[in-house]
Amino acid sequence: GENVEQHPSTLSVQEGDSAVIKCTYSDSASNYFPWYKQELGKGPQLIIDIRSNVGEKKDQRIAVTLNKTAKHFSLHITETQPEDSAVYFCAASKNSGYSTLTFGKGTMLLVSP
Amino acid sequence: EAGVAQSPRYKIIEKRQSVAFWCNPISGHATLYWYQQILGQGPKLLIQFQNNGVVDDSQLPKDRFSAERLKGVDSTLKIQPAKLEDSAVYLCASSLDPPRQGAQQVQFFGPGTRLTVL
Repeated sequence: GENVEQHPSTLSVQEGDSAVIKCTYSDSASNYFPWYKQELGKGPQLIIDIRSNVGEKKDQRIAVTLNKTAKHFSLHITETQPEDSAVYFCAASKNSGYSTLTFGKGTMLLVSP
Repeated sequence: EAGVAQSPRYKIIEKRQSVAFWCNPISGHATLYWYQQILGQGPKLLIQFQNNGVVDDSQLPKDRFSAERLKGVDSTLKIQPAKLEDSAVYLCASSLDPPRQGAQQVQFFGPGTRLTVL
């Protein structure tokens, strides 16, 4: 089955800096890669996703890049704000049948004012 | 639009006791998922329903866990008897349609139920 590795496990940045979280996956058939943000006491919330037919996607301060050859994808957050502090999860799945999401172990991002 | 509702939010039980969690998905969402999230890890799928039928329960410990989705709407997840290692957050999610070719559906998560087994 699919295996998703996520790094780093914790990331501390100063407000205004950029943050980058990286994930690798094992199943070359995976072609859907969402990123979720989980705040304390809440369920994960989708913040951005990318499909394998594109290499990069951007939404305001958040961007995701995908390298299918190397089987890795990354989340980039620019101009970080304290409210970006949360746990971020990457995930991977195939767009076929009832394929399910396999999540990474998460990255705790702390943005200091 | 109301989100995914779950109850209770917290539950503390002794080992070997039983417990049940309830989930109400977003209205109209055909697919419902139960995940287990152990502290410090990502969510792990336990079971997936398409309407009221099970489409994936390969990671559900069937000797102690059971789940049902009556009438294709609400769902309950039960643990009987509970073990210490069942301490986790149990997340329910729903999506409009099941994943299909070229159209992976976004999953919306509820707030979860935090279970502590003593």
